[in-house]
Amino acid sequence: DAKTTQPPSMDCAEGRAANLPCNHSTISGNEYVYWYRQIHSQGPQYIIHGLKNNETNEMASLIITEDRKSSTLILPHATLRDTAVYYCIVRDPSGSRLTFGEGTQLTVNP
Amino acid sequence: NAGVTQTPKFQVLKTGQSMTLQCAQDMNHEYMSWYRQDPGMGLRLIHYSVGAGITDQGEVPNGYNVSRSTTEDFPLRLLSAAPSQTSVYFCASMTGFKSGELFFGEGSRLTVL
Repeated sequence: DAKTTQPPSMDCAEGRAANLPCNHSTISGNEYVYWYRQIHSQGPQYIIHGLKNNETNEMASLIITEDRKSSTLILPHATLRDTAVYYCIVRDPSGSRLTFGEGTQLTVNP
Repeated sequence: NAGVTQTPKFQVLKTGQSMTLQCAQDMNHEYMSWYRQDPGMGLRLIHYSVGAGITDQGEVPNGYNVSRSTTEDFPLRLLSAAPSQTSVYFCASMTGFKSGELFFGEGSRLTVL
């Protein structure tokens, strides 16, 4: 599975959009991009995933560049409860593993 | 539904003791896995199973054993605990390994003295 690079930390003001970047320059054609988050010491929570098209659900939007070498997770109106570590994962669906990196610590400030 | 249930939530062991961390899911998921998370770090895969009777090693399998006799249960055994195994352990499951949408338990915090 391709390696991902994320900034270690980011800050965002409450009510504003949080844009979390992820670089995956070695991604291959059949690999999906997944996003999870981990609030404090809880188990990680699935957010969204995509292959090449932009995706949106009730939690977030995922924007994948045309060359698929990077993506951005967007939380449109961040709240204090969105403070968490956000993990970007690239995975081939035929593979049996999900490998978590260090993630980005997002802090939403009042 | 209960989802993924882990027991115990907290455990303190002495070096050399053995124990089993229990994991059960009620979603009829084929795939189950165990991760460990050390302070300030990401999750590392220990073992996983793509179905009953099938298990395989992850990134950090040494010191741990698993079995998958039923779809619902995936226990993690520490045969001889070491201080380096002090960590938070998470069990996770998903419909099938193609899914990618893992459901995690609340974690089991293990301290080895």
